[in-house]
Amino acid sequence: QVQLQQSGPGLVKPSQTLSLTCAISGDSVSSNSAAWNWIRQSPSRGLEWLGRTFYRSKWLNDYALSVKSRIIINPDTSKNQFSLHLSSVTPEDTAVYYCGRGRMAGSGDALDIWGQGTMVTVSS
Amino acid sequence: SYVLTQPPSVSVAPGQTARITCGGNNVGGVSVHWYQQKPGQAPVLVVYGDSDRPSGIPERFSGSKSGNTATLTISRVEAGDEADYYCQVWDISSIHPVVFGGGTTLTVL
Repeated sequence: QVQLQQSGPGLVKPSQTLSLTCAISGDSVSSNSAAWNWIRQSPSRGLEWLGRTFYRSKWLNDYALSVKSRIIINPDTSKNQFSLHLSSVTPEDTAVYYCGRGRMAGSGDALDIWGQGTMVTVSS
Repeated sequence: SYVLTQPPSVSVAPGQTARITCGGNNVGGVSVHWYQQKPGQAPVLVVYGDSDRPSGIPERFSGSKSGNTATLTISRVEAGDEADYYCQVWDISSIHPVVFGGGTTLTVL
């Protein structure tokens, strides 16, 4: 079955870049029928979608407006994984970060597979 | 931006039926997905496309929609159903295309 395995540091200093990786098994990052998402969750913001990367004859990205100036999500086809890079972090970026697979369901993607989550704290 | 409104909490006795609502402008025009999240775990998709169930999700979980309100119904509630439940829509016309509701805590009495 499809599984997503997250990795990355749990502590990031303010103003630095938060980087997380999500390794895919049982599916391909280059799939034409899936999208690869990052979502975060905090008590103050709840569940917040950050963005996605997906392949439809070429690589495409969508990002949430709230982080658009600071975020990059990119695929690594050689390792069948995708990564999140969030720059200039502040304590407000402290959250549990999840990766997730999106599959089209009706008018928009449902997130049918999730990674295990990574608690990231932004602190000096 | 798009807002999905859920009741903060719902309580129900074992064996009874729980109904969790999700309201918002134009919910009637988009597909609604529902997730279950237990403490310390990642969310799990329980209903997609308003009313379809992923494989492995019990038939006790069902979804429906009327006007701009979607409802997750859990029949014959069990203690193991106690969790937070979130609705989610994808609205490409919004500046935030993926929106989650604030979540509902289901308590089994």
